[in-house]
Amino acid sequence: GQQLNQSPQSMFIQEGEDVSMNCTSSSIFNTWLWYKQDPGEGPVLLIALYKAGELTSNGRLTAQFGITRKDSFLNISASIPSDVGIYFCAGQETSGSRLTFGEGTQLTVNP
Amino acid sequence: DGGITQSPKYLFRKEGQNVTLSCEQNLNHDAMYWYRQDPGQGLRLIYYSQIVNDFQKGDIAEGYSVSREKKESFPLTVTSAQKNPTAFYLCASSTQTSGANVLTFGAGSRLTVL
Repeated sequence: GQQLNQSPQSMFIQEGEDVSMNCTSSSIFNTWLWYKQDPGEGPVLLIALYKAGELTSNGRLTAQFGITRKDSFLNISASIPSDVGIYFCAGQETSGSRLTFGEGTQLTVNP
Repeated sequence: DGGITQSPKYLFRKEGQNVTLSCEQNLNHDAMYWYRQDPGQGLRLIYYSQIVNDFQKGDIAEGYSVSREKKESFPLTVTSAQKNPTAFYLCASSTQTSGANVLTFGAGSRLTVL
């Protein structure tokens, strides 16, 4: 299946710092989703984006649907230790098609 | 509360044995999925089902089998033909939201082959 390029693969930051990660695709997507996976658990949906240029916030998290429809960004402000986990992007090309997942960004927050 | 229940959480298996992982959802979702996750890697699709009594192979179906006899249930059998079955297995279900397949995941089952 198609792959999304998600970067960075891992991040080590200090508590209080801001975080940015992104996903890019060679195809145009109609939907971008961002998930967070805590260690040993299943991924949980953070933010869903349905329109090019859309900017959506969920607490300290902000995600954007790129204007080209080939990329998406997730920002976390003022990180805290419980932000630790793996963040996945996922994209869908057309209505009803399968989701394609990125490889994930492993975030470590040092207190 | 609605959700997806996977069991068991941890499972140990000897080589050559088949094992079945359970996945039950009470979200009334039509579609269900099985993913495999290896350490430091993303999610790879094993099988998915969009309706009862029908399912399709994903990207890594070899050595796995599924059934979808009820809307709520989508069990995964890891057969002895799977060469490297040790992994974290995730079940998910989905509904269409604004035309998008928004997946809800279970808590996962970790299979270790001894």
